[in-house]
Amino acid sequence: GNSVTQMEGPVTLSEEAFLTINCTYTATGYPSLFWYVQYPGEGLQLLLKATKADDKGSNKGFEATYRKETTSFHLEKGSVQVSDSAVYFCALYNTNAGKSTFGDGTTLTVKP
Amino acid sequence: GAVVSQHPSWVICKSGTSVKIECRSLDFQATTMFWYRQFPKQSLMLMATSNEGSKATYEQGVEKDKFLINHASLTLSTLTVTSAHPEDSSFYICSARPGGLETYSPLHFGNGTRLTVT
Repeated sequence: GNSVTQMEGPVTLSEEAFLTINCTYTATGYPSLFWYVQYPGEGLQLLLKATKADDKGSNKGFEATYRKETTSFHLEKGSVQVSDSAVYFCALYNTNAGKSTFGDGTTLTVKP
Repeated sequence: GAVVSQHPSWVICKSGTSVKIECRSLDFQATTMFWYRQFPKQSLMLMATSNEGSKATYEQGVEKDKFLINHASLTLSTLTVTSAHPEDSSFYICSARPGGLETYSPLHFGNGTRLTVT
C-alpha cells in the first residue's frame, strides 16, 4: 500500500535559519507528491507539488525535489520567517488508490 | 480559483444532538470530495470519500451510521454527525480535487469545522 513518513516535530528555529523537513514515501507506480501547509485554525493549503521523478516544486522560497531513487521529497527553505510557523504535511496521490495519503505533519515554530 | 468553502467554521452542540457540516466547491465541480478528521496531535484521518450521486466510501473503523455523508450535487457534500457525543469533538476538514483523477491536481481544502460536543 501507499504510505508517507515525515520527520517528527516539533521543529523550532530562529528567524533566517535553514529549514529541512524530511519526507519519504512508499507507493506503487508513479505517484504525485505534495507539500501542504496548515496555519493555526485553518484548513490545509497547497504549498508545492511535483508530478514526476526529478521534478522540483517551489513556492514562497520553499523547495522540494522528487527523488525516485531514494523515494524522498524533502522540504527545504533557505531562510525561514516567523510567518512560516505552521504545520507542514507531506502527501502523495496515486490513482490506484483514488485518494491521497498524508504524513503525520510536522509543526514548525520560527522565533524572532 | 479552486475554492472550497466549509460551513460552519465552529459549532457547539449538546450530547445526543446531530450536527450538519457543509462543504461546497465554489468555482469547480467536484464529483468526489473527501472528509477528514484531525486529532489534537495534528494527524489527518481520512473518514470517507464522498461520491456525487452515489453512496460514500467509508474508511475502515468509521461508523457510516454515525457519520452520514450526502453528496447530492457536483458542488455540495454534507457530513452529519448523528447523536453526537463528547468523543466526537474534533476538527473536521473537507477537500476536493478539481479536474477529477488527474494525478497532478492537488487537493483543495475547506477551512475546517471545529466541533465541540458538551
